[in-house]
Amino acid sequence: NAGVTQTPKFQVLKTGQSMTLQCAQDMNHEYMSWYRQDPGMGLRLIHYSVGAGITDQGEVPNGYNVSRSTTEDFPLRLLSAAPSQTSVYFCASRFGHRGAETQYFGPGTRLLVL
Amino acid sequence: AQSVTQLGSHVSVSEGALVLLRCNYSSSVPPYLFWYVQYPNQGLQLLLKYTTGATLVKGINGFEAEFKKSETSFHLTKPSAHMSDAAEYFCAVSESMYSGGGADGLTFGKGTHLIIQP
Repeated sequence: NAGVTQTPKFQVLKTGQSMTLQCAQDMNHEYMSWYRQDPGMGLRLIHYSVGAGITDQGEVPNGYNVSRSTTEDFPLRLLSAAPSQTSVYFCASRFGHRGAETQYFGPGTRLLVL
Repeated sequence: AQSVTQLGSHVSVSEGALVLLRCNYSSSVPPYLFWYVQYPNQGLQLLLKYTTGATLVKGINGFEAEFKKSETSFHLTKPSAHMSDAAEYFCAVSESMYSGGGADGLTFGKGTHLIIQP
């Protein structure tokens, strides 16, 4: 199993550009989520999905869209990039809905918005 | 609402010394508690977790943590630090019931950077 994979690893955008961060998992996990990591802030939940066709907002959803058309993929879209979205983005997945389940994290995407 | 406080953004210990990373949480329901480690330029890896049962939890790489409900704490310890333990450590909490609204996602502390002195 490849686990959780993310592409690209690095990206530089100009303010106002849009892009999609890709996330895929091959563990047949129902629950997938996106976090952003900023210095001194820990990780904050952006959006999550409890299964194909179901998504919901986390703590910091503004400026981001998600969709879940398949169990495996959970892309994160930046609609109009802003410098405040400069961050490291992590995708994670776990088998079930329960909070006791371990979440597995991808290697991250480093995004710089100029 | 759940929250996590990690005391000390940076902790420095000598190689071979005791490692103690502090974590306190608040939760309106019985919590699930996690410690994750992040090595430079990598994703997060689970060290250990508490769900139910024994309050002393053993994890990978010689780490352990004890859930103390009365103190709302879940401190991480390792008897003898190794240079390879240098990393960022995150404590996280998840609530014990699915209630939507992201409540079953993880809430992270701000992290503690562990520095190992030779």
